[in-house]
Amino acid sequence: EPEVTQTPSHQVTQMGQEVILRCVPISNHLYFYWYRQILGQKVEFLVSFYNNEISEKSEIFDDQFSVERPDGSNFTLKIRSTKLEDSAMYFCASSPDRWGTEKLFFGSGTQLSVL
Amino acid sequence: SQQGEEDPQALSIQEGENATMNCSYKTSINNLQWYRQNSGRGLVHLILIRSNEREKHSGRLRVTLDTSKKSSSLLITASRAADTASYFCATDYNNNDMRFGAGTRLTVKP
Repeated sequence: EPEVTQTPSHQVTQMGQEVILRCVPISNHLYFYWYRQILGQKVEFLVSFYNNEISEKSEIFDDQFSVERPDGSNFTLKIRSTKLEDSAMYFCASSPDRWGTEKLFFGSGTQLSVL
Repeated sequence: SQQGEEDPQALSIQEGENATMNCSYKTSINNLQWYRQNSGRGLVHLILIRSNEREKHSGRLRVTLDTSKKSSSLLITASRAADTASYFCATDYNNNDMRFGAGTRLTVKP
């Protein structure tokens, strides 16, 4: 079965540094998402992306966050100046149609640790 | 803001028993989905139930939906140790994107 792949699996950074988390969604999917999960806690929606623009974002997704689909295959999440509280597992997901009619396919996540 | 809320937060049962997890939500929905997460891994889709459906089955899984009570339940019958995981419900938020609850951590003891 096709998979969503995320790199790196672990990322350690210093507070204030920029990080870019990378995702390769399933090739024929049109909708892309980022979620995050602080250890053992709820899965929080960050942003959804369709047709090369953000379609929805949560209150977590402030000016420090941005997303991009630079080359038609990768989907990236950038955090400009990381904070300690950004430490979490970040999940990328994709779907062939908006989620309401189709399930989401999730990657295995990137564990971000901000020191 | 959060949409689905699972109950209980944690559930521990013996292998062979049935496990029931509940989900409540606040706004009207088009669909509700259940996902499973093994420790430290991504979420895996289990089942989707549409707002005009009341019950759906998939193998040992049975999902019900009561839109009048804004609630859903996931029943796993004849549980196995391999069913140990966290289970999340997800609903559309303002008819847009999917929001998850905090999950139910299920432990099935052999």
